[in-house]
Amino acid sequence: AQRVTQPEKLLSVFKGAPVELKCNYSYSGSPELFWYVQYSRQRLQLLLRHISRESIKGFTADLNKGETSFHLKKPFAQEEDSAMYYCALSGPSQEAGTALIFGKGTTLSVSS
Amino acid sequence: NAGVTQTPKFQVLKTGQSMTLQCAQDMNHEYMSWYRQDPGMGLRLIHYSVGAGITDQGEVPNGYNVSRSTTEDFPLRLLSAAPSQTSVYFCASRGTGAKNIQYFGAGTRLSVL
Repeated sequence: AQRVTQPEKLLSVFKGAPVELKCNYSYSGSPELFWYVQYSRQRLQLLLRHISRESIKGFTADLNKGETSFHLKKPFAQEEDSAMYYCALSGPSQEAGTALIFGKGTTLSVSS
Repeated sequence: NAGVTQTPKFQVLKTGQSMTLQCAQDMNHEYMSWYRQDPGMGLRLIHYSVGAGITDQGEVPNGYNVSRSTTEDFPLRLLSAAPSQTSVYFCASRGTGAKNIQYFGAGTRLSVL
């Protein structure tokens, strides 16, 4: 069964501290993995996509197929990073019929 | 570029009332979906569509109906609202291949009394 697990509901860090938001997945095949972010009272927006291998707003995420993980990392947290972060999974991008499955989300709180 | 547009933004219903949440996208995406967002539950898929005339159930479809008569529109109908349907509803659309990025509407905050 397809599943995305985000083990932490809340992660509180101080400004300047490193951040790691954990995401583990279960999928039989070659999934695509994403991180979406939702700032307070705003719509969800894409932060990272594993096939792009980009760094957005200082965040990176590496797909580890052996550990079935896609953890989100940032070396130095900023207060504006405070938001809800969702890890999500879909089937291969060429397949139109696969749903995007989300984890339960992790709230990141960065304080000064 | 409007993207994904949802209406209304807020709605209060009484138990048993019906209503339709509207969703439209202007990106010519084949894939559209509806999620509900509840505290501690994340985003749960209600229904989705892979193209005009094709819909399917997601994780939590009970109490909701959908239809897809055009590529652009994907309305969500609550036939007889229940307090358990109090939630924030998000519509989304996405393309395929390099455009396999899901775009979300701004959400509809629904309260059922």
